[in-house]
Amino acid sequence: DIQMTQSPSSLSASVGDRVTITCRASQDINRWLAWYQQKPGEAPKSLIYAASNLQSGVPSRFSGSGSGTDFTLTISSLQPEDFATYFCQHYITYPVTFGGGTRVEI
Amino acid sequence: EVQLVESGGTLVQPGESLRLSCAASGFTFPSHAMTWVRQAPGKGLEWLSTITGSGGSTYSADSVKGRFAISRDNSRNTLYLQMYSLTAEDTAVYYCAKDPGAEAGGWFDPWGQGTLVTVSS
Repeated sequence: DIQMTQSPSSLSASVGDRVTITCRASQDINRWLAWYQQKPGEAPKSLIYAASNLQSGVPSRFSGSGSGTDFTLTISSLQPEDFATYFCQHYITYPVTFGGGTRVEI
Repeated sequence: EVQLVESGGTLVQPGESLRLSCAASGFTFPSHAMTWVRQAPGKGLEWLSTITGSGGSTYSADSVKGRFAISRDNSRNTLYLQMYSLTAEDTAVYYCAKDPGAEAGGWFDPWGQGTLVTVSS
């Protein structure tokens, strides 16, 4: 199975900060990577697919980059509603697997 | 608007069986593969199973293969997860999610609100 490793596992940031989260795959997954946001008590919400494509309705302050094994999710200017946990997921083959999550805290 | 509404989660005893349902609306259900993902309390996300739009092919995680079965009724726009021999380790919120196309393999959008399964004596 492909292992997805996110870093950091948590971070503290302030409104307006630029935040970067990293996701590393244990083998080449091309650009078959998605990012999700999950707030407490809610279902995950899709942010980005194919490494860098913004899901419809997602604010442009979110962006994704990378290919192969190394990927990043960037929030250009953190907003109050962005405090949440973020997960990456590969979908190059089954089983699909998720990263362990990055909790973004105030 | 695409909506996915899970149901069927409840408290069950170890060894019991349970069937979850996911009612879909707002899109052409047979045109999309569908997926179940679970999240144990305070833990991360675990993919469980995906079924193609036609229902002709399924894919499952090794952790649930032989115990969980995914199926769908395209005439009712409903996805199912039949779970057998439940253990405490199956305690989680179970989410259904829509795949981007009819064939399996993709990201998940949107997700349902989830249904809680608790396995305890």
